Amino acid sequence: DGGITQSPKYLFRKEGQNVTLSCEQNLNHDAMYWYRQDPGQGLRLIYYSQIVNDFQKGDIAEGYSVSREKKESFPLTVTSAQKNPTAFYLCASSISSSNYNSPLHFGNGTRLTVT
Amino acid sequence: AQTVTQSQPEMSVQEAETVTLSCTYDTSENNYYLFWYKQPPSRQMILVIRQEAYKQQNATENRFSVNFQKAAKSFSLKISDSQLGDTAMYFCAFMKRGAQKLVFGQGTRLTINP
Repeated sequence: DGGITQSPKYLFRKEGQNVTLSCEQNLNHDAMYWYRQDPGQGLRLIYYSQIVNDFQKGDIAEGYSVSREKKESFPLTVTSAQKNPTAFYLCASSISSSNYNSPLHFGNGTRLTVT
Repeated sequence: AQTVTQSQPEMSVQEAETVTLSCTYDTSENNYYLFWYKQPPSRQMILVIRQEAYKQQNATENRFSVNFQKAAKSFSLKISDSQLGDTAMYFCAFMKRGAQKLVFGQGTRLTINP
């Protein structure tokens, strides 16, 4: 079955350490996204990529970095510069980033806790 | 910038009842799309229904329908004959035509009681 796989489901890190969240899709989608979810704030866009080797900052990119070396993969690194990294992170993909008829498909998310 | 507001943080109804979730948005755009996503306890986001702004007819998907009022910038979701499996967080979302991202509301936590 096609889908989006995020791993791990839960991740714990000490403050000051960088951590990378994995996102893999086998849907052959061009566009991929990272969202952050905090209680009471809905989802906010961190980074998105419309095509391999290209990505753009979203609304809250500070303290995060991404890469898109392969179509299937869009890992997110939470750096020590991110002030409040503890959150639920959702990865998504779509056939095309600007096509209304291409809704987002989401992964199951990674819960990151930094202490 | 576009904003999406969901004014009901939580709602609770009995099974088989009808419930309406509210959503308002602010935009100066004329061409855009609106969505309702559901996030059950598993936390995976699932698309429930979508609406094109240039269509006057309200979208319907089985028990789910919307009331789209473009002039009022309102996009409410009606769930008929609610079921226990409808218990979830519901997010309203906006996308400008040609844009690359969705703007989400804060979410409404809906509980269906047996």
